[in-house]
Amino acid sequence: SQTIHQWPATLVQPVGSPLSLECTVEGTSNPNLYWYRQAAGRGLQLLFYSVGIGQISSEVPQNLSASRPQDRQFILSSKKLLLSDSGFYLCAWRVDSGANVLTFGAGSRLTVL
Amino acid sequence: AQSVTQLGSHVSVSEGALVLLRCNYSSSVPPYLFWYVQYPNQGLQLLLKYTSAATLVKGINGFEAEFKKSETSFHLTKPSAHMSDAAEYFCAVSDLRSGYSTLTFGKGTMLLVSP
Repeated sequence: SQTIHQWPATLVQPVGSPLSLECTVEGTSNPNLYWYRQAAGRGLQLLFYSVGIGQISSEVPQNLSASRPQDRQFILSSKKLLLSDSGFYLCAWRVDSGANVLTFGAGSRLTVL
Repeated sequence: AQSVTQLGSHVSVSEGALVLLRCNYSSSVPPYLFWYVQYPNQGLQLLLKYTSAATLVKGINGFEAEFKKSETSFHLTKPSAHMSDAAEYFCAVSDLRSGYSTLTFGKGTMLLVSP
């Protein structure tokens, strides 16, 4: 069966420090992968999506970036964190291309101080 | 782009009462619609989906939703609330971004269940 893993689960970082959040999918190949951010009162915001290795589309051009070095690995990064980067980051992948169902990981909670 | 509006950021019900969470969508094409549930500090879990088959869709945990094209609505209901239903609920619509499929979510509705 397919599973999706995210880590770290919780992260507290100072302003200006770098960030790396990782997401991996098991049990499938060539998935479509997504990064969403959930901030208080703002619902889920799509940040990046990827349809293949090295193919990244950005929805929100901020100080965040994403990379897909391997088929089932999706990484969210920042060189210098801002206070506004705090939030709950969710990775997801498509399981049903006909109905566009997304399956989500457990999330990574980032607090920037 | 498609959009979703969830009416009410918080809904409070008593245990055993009817649950009604409202969702209206905007879509330029026949939509696929979804409801997800999120428990504290967890990811989102799919409750149910509408994919242009039956307009009344049954999901997990006793929830169901009805697609009403004339009202552009997809409200979520459950006849009798349980304490374990307390969570945040998100309505979503399928969307195309530069030719790639994704989901656009509403801002969520927190369901509070009191004994």
